[in-house]
Amino acid sequence: DVVMTQSPLSLPVTLGQPASISCRSSQSLVGSDGNTYLNWFQQRPGQSPRRLIYKVSNRDSGVPDRFSGSGSGTDFTLKISRVEAEDVGVYYCMQGTHWPPLTFGGGTKVEIK
Amino acid sequence: EVNLLESGGGFIQPGGSLRLSCAASGFTFSSYVMTWVRQAPGKGLEWVSDINENGDSTYYADSVKGRFTISRDNSENMLYLQMNSLRAEDSAIYYCVKGGWCDYWGQGTLVTVSS
Repeated sequence: DVVMTQSPLSLPVTLGQPASISCRSSQSLVGSDGNTYLNWFQQRPGQSPRRLIYKVSNRDSGVPDRFSGSGSGTDFTLKISRVEAEDVGVYYCMQGTHWPPLTFGGGTKVEIK
Repeated sequence: EVNLLESGGGFIQPGGSLRLSCAASGFTFSSYVMTWVRQAPGKGLEWVSDINENGDSTYYADSVKGRFTISRDNSENMLYLQMNSLRAEDSAIYYCVKGGWCDYWGQGTLVTVSS
């Protein structure tokens, strides 16, 4: 199974400042179709996860443009250009290229300093 | 608007069985793979099972294989998870998720396995 490793575990950020989360996979996520099935999810406190980004860099409908995804192969990044209070929560990466199983990263907790 | 409403969770003793249900609306249910993902208290996300659009292909995490069965009723827009031989480590919130790439999630149903 593909192991997804996120860093940091915890990310204290000042409001209005940028934030960056790293996700690394144990093998390349480029699929046989040429697509890279790497998604990012946000889970606010007490809520269900919500998908933010699919296939590395595509924002889901309604996701603010301060969120962006990038990367290739085994290294991926989620960036928040200017953190707002509503961004507090845990962020997960997930790979679907080498399914089954789908595998998730361990999560990064974003909190306000 | 996509809506996924899980039910069937509860408190159960080890070795017992539960059947989770998920009522789907707001999209053409029969056109999508459906997924169950679980989250143990205070822990991360764990994929449990997938079922293809017409229900003839199913996939399971090793941790639940042989004990859990996923199924669907496309005429009723319903997804199910039959959970047998439950263990303490199966305690979690179980989420019903649309699609193999998890674009919409339900609010979850809590399963607690304890003596």
